Amino acid sequence: KAGVTQTPRYLIKTRGQQVTLSCSPISGHRSVSWYQQTPGQGLQFLFEYFSETQRNKGNFPGRFSGRQFSNSRSEMNVSTLELGDSALYLCASSYRGAGDTEAFFGQGTRLTVV
Amino acid sequence: AQSVTQLDSHVSVSEGTPVLLRCNYSSSYSPSLFWYVQHPNKGLQLLLKYTSAATLVKGINGFEAEFKKSETSFHLTKPSAHMSDAAEYFCVVSGSRSGGSNYKLTFGKGTLLTVNP
Repeated sequence: KAGVTQTPRYLIKTRGQQVTLSCSPISGHRSVSWYQQTPGQGLQFLFEYFSETQRNKGNFPGRFSGRQFSNSRSEMNVSTLELGDSALYLCASSYRGAGDTEAFFGQGTRLTVV
Repeated sequence: AQSVTQLDSHVSVSEGTPVLLRCNYSSSYSPSLFWYVQHPNKGLQLLLKYTSAATLVKGINGFEAEFKKSETSFHLTKPSAHMSDAAEYFCVVSGSRSGGSNYKLTFGKGTLLTVNP
């Protein structure tokens, strides 16, 4: 079956702009969670959605937001980009929720802010 | 709060020799523990998971890990390293006060495994 699809794979944005990243989970999975990976901070949890509801949120500023649609696809948005937002953003898909059922990760979106 | 500490940022072994990647966890309840692997330019892949059924957990590609509550450890081992094992490995914890999942994975900083021919 198809895996987790993240688009786009690469993005270059300018400081102050906003960006939207997309994640299509594995068919039948209702949980989507997002993680930011940087060399300095490692992998950090952003938020998790299940059936269009945010169930958990990490410690990130309000510039980071997300949503989930009725088909379980999810988007995350970062407004007023800062240089420090440059990172690999990973999306994980699972049936009931990461930690409860296995989480499958996409290949990520590499965001570069210049 | 839950956390994991990976004791080595880099481990280098020769092909055919054993692998040991060390992980200690901190949790005020019975956690779920995982090991994930990340190959260059690829997503994360689950190697194995512990969810209190058995303390010795077998995973894919010959890896296994032992949960030791008294030592709060969950070290990853493999008897014989292969070149294809070279990657970054993450120890991960999940859980909540009620003992169930909070749907959030807390990652260690990672251990880069190098396998020399």
